[in-house]
Amino acid sequence: EVQLMESGGGLVQPGRSLKLSCAASGFTYNNYVMAWVRQAPTKGLEWVASISTGGGNTYYRDSVKGRFTISRDNAKNTLYLQIDSLRSEDTATYYCAKSVPYFDYWGQGVMVTVSS
Amino acid sequence: IQMTQSPSLLSASVGDRVTLSCKAGQNINNYLAWYQQKLGEAPKLLIYNANSLQTGIPSRFSGSGSGTDFTVTISSLQPEDVATYFCQQYSSGSTFGSGTKLEIK
Repeated sequence: EVQLMESGGGLVQPGRSLKLSCAASGFTYNNYVMAWVRQAPTKGLEWVASISTGGGNTYYRDSVKGRFTISRDNAKNTLYLQIDSLRSEDTATYYCAKSVPYFDYWGQGVMVTVSS
Repeated sequence: IQMTQSPSLLSASVGDRVTLSCKAGQNINNYLAWYQQKLGEAPKLLIYNANSLQTGIPSRFSGSGSGTDFTVTISSLQPEDVATYFCQQYSSGSTFGSGTKLEIK
């Protein structure tokens, strides 16, 4: 059974940093592109970033380039999202997703709230 | 690529045939997926490549379309289908529509 489990969210002040993690199991993790998708409260879904199987290629939406860093550890079957210089508009539930390239499996999500 | 869903809210009765629409801002061939998101849950993949049913999804769901115009149809609406439905294009990057909220009348 495919499982994706996010962690690392919380309440953070503007300008601070946060690192999200996503532990994967139930599939051959290093064979798949992985992604982060976010959803602001009561809003729609927004693709944030994707990473190739080996980690050598990364892709970001324009609004997060330079502040977000996606990475993966294939030995630990874990996906990461480093978020720097947090802004109020980053407040959202962040989902990790297995990408094929549509998203066939999603984690349960982790909430990030940016507020002073 | 902008994705436009309509309507934003739909109320229908149990047993009704329901069709939700999604329009792409440019030709995306058949690189379109549909997701169902129930309140408080993560999205779930329903349809990929415009008309392929994901494993485990009830056969009352079906998808159609190509190019710029797409639909997902529920042949007989069930109470458990209450959710918000999102389309996503993956022809160039990834973009979601704003969603259609489906309610029971």
